[in-house]
Amino acid sequence: EAQVTQNPRYLITVTGKKLTVTCSQNMNHEYMSWYRQDPGLGLRQIYYSMNVEVTDKGDVPEGYKVSRKEKRNFPLILESPSPNQTSLYFCASSPTEGYGYTFGSGTRLTVV
Amino acid sequence: SQKIEQNSEALNIQEGKTATLTCNYTNYSPAYLQWYRQDPGRGPVFLLLIRENEKEKRKERLKVTFDTTLKQSLFHITASQPADSATYLCALDPQGNNRLAFGKGNQVVVIP
Repeated sequence: EAQVTQNPRYLITVTGKKLTVTCSQNMNHEYMSWYRQDPGLGLRQIYYSMNVEVTDKGDVPEGYKVSRKEKRNFPLILESPSPNQTSLYFCASSPTEGYGYTFGSGTRLTVV
Repeated sequence: SQKIEQNSEALNIQEGKTATLTCNYTNYSPAYLQWYRQDPGRGPVFLLLIRENEKEKRKERLKVTFDTTLKQSLFHITASQPADSATYLCALDPQGNNRLAFGKGNQVVVIP
């Protein structure tokens, strides 16, 4: 089944403890993105990748890192999480420009 | 500044009627516009993409129009059903490089 898989679905962590949210797609898509969704603010792009080893900042990149060493994987790294990074996170992929994105099921992160 | 605006008020509609949602944008000249459906706590699901040279696009009971002069897209659900209850998101690619920016979404509630 064609899909974007994120793990974990739920995560509660403490301030400052490094964490990684994994994202993998099995559709050989070129483009991948990370978004966070907060009430009243909608979906905001964190980072974006147009191919292996090519990444760029989105609208809210502060406090996040990404890497794209393989086409299928695009992990999101929080080196020192803070409570303001408590949010619902989505990974998404798209084959090329002019095509819709396929989203993962989301990761609900709580930082205490 | 660039904005994508969707009505923040939920649209309550009787089953069988046509639901119409509006997406207005400013300071963009997008080559295409996309619509997604999102259920609570789930990832957005791609529905339709309409290009700047297309006036209308249909998919089953869904219809999208795109007026680049008015900078507006309309999204219609005909013969609405309770299962259509969800939040619908409009998305644009401001820079033409497949980086989507999303509106905040418009909730639809279909009353049986």
